Amino acid sequence: TQLLEQSPQFLSIQEGENLTVYCNSSSVFSSLQWYRQEPGEGPVLLVTVVTGGEVKKLKRLTFQFGDARKDSSLHITAAQPGDTGLYLCAVLSGGTSYGKLTFGQGTILTVHP
Amino acid sequence: DTAVSQTPKYLVTQMGNDKSIKCEQNLGHDTMYWYKQDSKKFLKIMFSYNNKELIINETVPNRFSPKSPDKAHLNLHINSLELGDSAVYFCASSFQGYSYEQYFGPGTRLTVT
Repeated sequence: TQLLEQSPQFLSIQEGENLTVYCNSSSVFSSLQWYRQEPGEGPVLLVTVVTGGEVKKLKRLTFQFGDARKDSSLHITAAQPGDTGLYLCAVLSGGTSYGKLTFGQGTILTVHP
Repeated sequence: DTAVSQTPKYLVTQMGNDKSIKCEQNLGHDTMYWYKQDSKKFLKIMFSYNNKELIINETVPNRFSPKSPDKAHLNLHINSLELGDSAVYFCASSFQGYSYEQYFGPGTRLTVT
């Protein structure tokens, strides 16, 4: 059983469409992160959400942390081909000093021109 | 300037061989990590070092041995390579106490034939 369940696993859309990616768990977290990984590169941190109900925006990307801090969503408005990549949610366990990141299985997004 | 670098980028080798992957970071971080990403894009931590001391050691076969000569370098040596070791290996680094802000290298794609 995965600690973090992401859905959908694959998403293929046309440029200009909107989309939402979900990250769900039965556990409560103190914080949750979203990463984007482009082909041939390592994951890059997009955002960290820490407060239940928190909403953060990064240009066309909107991140929300669930009120109960068990789930999160990533919404992309007017997707562009440059948004193509693997989107990963992650949580930290074991404290901030020597904590380890546990990742969801990821959502592969393809945006067609 | 590359923040976290790995060599080689690609590694193709035969079963039973021994190989090493090197990682270097120039961010001044004191904590470094090795992650493994399988063919389904699932990313999982393997090891973590803080100031050359092993902190996290997940359930990894003892054929895998990390070595940290100094806090800017973390190498991964793999003995008796098996087909199932084929994956992309990522190095990452952070400051102690800020393990939620990890910077990833570009990855090393290991193919065992």
